[in-house]
Amino acid sequence: GESVGLHLPTLSVQEGDNSIINCAYSNSASDYFIWYKQESGKGPQFIIDIRSNMDKRQGQRVTVLLNKTVKHLSLQIAATQPGDSAVYFCAENKNSGYALNFGKGTSLLVTP
Amino acid sequence: DTEVTQTPKHLVMGMTNKKSLKCEQHMGHRAMYWYKQKAKKPPELMFVYSYEKLSINESVPSRFSPECPNSSLLNLHLHALQPEDSALYLCASSAHPMYEKLFFGSGTQLSVL
Repeated sequence: GESVGLHLPTLSVQEGDNSIINCAYSNSASDYFIWYKQESGKGPQFIIDIRSNMDKRQGQRVTVLLNKTVKHLSLQIAATQPGDSAVYFCAENKNSGYALNFGKGTSLLVTP
Repeated sequence: DTEVTQTPKHLVMGMTNKKSLKCEQHMGHRAMYWYKQKAKKPPELMFVYSYEKLSINESVPSRFSPECPNSSLLNLHLHALQPEDSALYLCASSAHPMYEKLFFGSGTQLSVL
């Protein structure tokens, strides 16, 4: 099966709330992880990345948490906005770091 | 310029046609990628070029033929495709081949009739 997956296929949140999107991975050798956002009709857009020597990394309104013990990755979006509605993919490095393997994706819907 | 540009945006072709997808980046990136994405599925890796040399081929059928004429350009030549090859074909680039974030183009939506 896929080595990267997501717990929830869809997530609906109200505007202004915080969103948490989860991702599980099975390859304990993975050491680089990325979150991408994909809007309809567009290619994936980089959000934030984290390497395995870190547990947490923050960006603008986003935070990625990495728990290597349970092989779990999460993306937190603060004060979710309608423009955040999209499909979110987590990805891990594969082929010894030469490429990325994508998880199934979570569809985030922000309601007013 | 921080874009990966793909042409055409849409392509319809018959099973006997030969067509090419084109990808261009001017960020000085030394790795380029082709991914295939079916509707409501994650992107799947097809090919990786590292310093203009093919470094990874994910067992892609020979009816897909990649080409990297120079460090800025990546082509995907298509011949004798099947209807199940209909998908969004995404090109991406990264500054270096390993452990780097990928920048994606908007893709070519391909329909094979």
